[in-house]
Amino acid sequence: SYELTQPPSVSVSPGQTASITCSGDKLGNKYACWFQQKPGQSPVLVIYQDTKRPSGIPERFSGSNSGNTATLTISGTQAMDEADYYCQAWDSSTFYVFGTGTKVTVL
Amino acid sequence: EVQLVESGGGLVKPGGSLRLSCAASGFTFSNAWMSWVRQAPGKGLEWVGRIKRKIDGGTTDYAAPVKGRFTISRHDFKNTLYLQMNSLKTEDTAVYYCTEMRPYYYDSSGYSYWAIWSWGQGALVTVSS
Repeated sequence: SYELTQPPSVSVSPGQTASITCSGDKLGNKYACWFQQKPGQSPVLVIYQDTKRPSGIPERFSGSNSGNTATLTISGTQAMDEADYYCQAWDSSTFYVFGTGTKVTVL
Repeated sequence: EVQLVESGGGLVKPGGSLRLSCAASGFTFSNAWMSWVRQAPGKGLEWVGRIKRKIDGGTTDYAAPVKGRFTISRHDFKNTLYLQMNSLKTEDTAVYYCTEMRPYYYDSSGYSYWAIWSWGQGALVTVSS
């Protein structure tokens, strides 16, 4: 089965850049999405098709995907960005696979 | 505005059954693919299954842990999605989210790629004796 691996946690200072990686076999050949989930809330789509932002998502969220790694970058991180982030991709055998999740802490 | 409202969650004994419903509004339900995603307490997200729209065959696919026990169906006239859960196990305890999917890309052969787009507030299912 297909698996996506993320670091359990990432810490960032306010105003700095946070990078969250998502690793999977030949992930660059698939399209990656990213979801943000704040405590007690439902997930929200922040990036789809590797790099695109849905309407209403701030420009400080960006994505890339190449080789075996997809990356979500939060530029100028704000306190409100503190949340769990999950990558997700589609695989023909496992269908919709989520990453293990990364807790972003804004110190 | 898209609204997805799940109902039907609760406490059920191992081996029992439960049916979740999801009332959808704010978009053309019959045009959407729909998925269920679950999250066990303190754990990550896990895709449960998906149903395509009728013009794409209305077919379903399921994650391995639930295949053969869970069934997704839809009633387009009622704008409602269902998840029938049978032979429940303690490891099925989770918040179950109803999600709307949208197409974001069509390749040169006409194959479409769909993303999980909007989420409901979730329904808690607890399987315990």
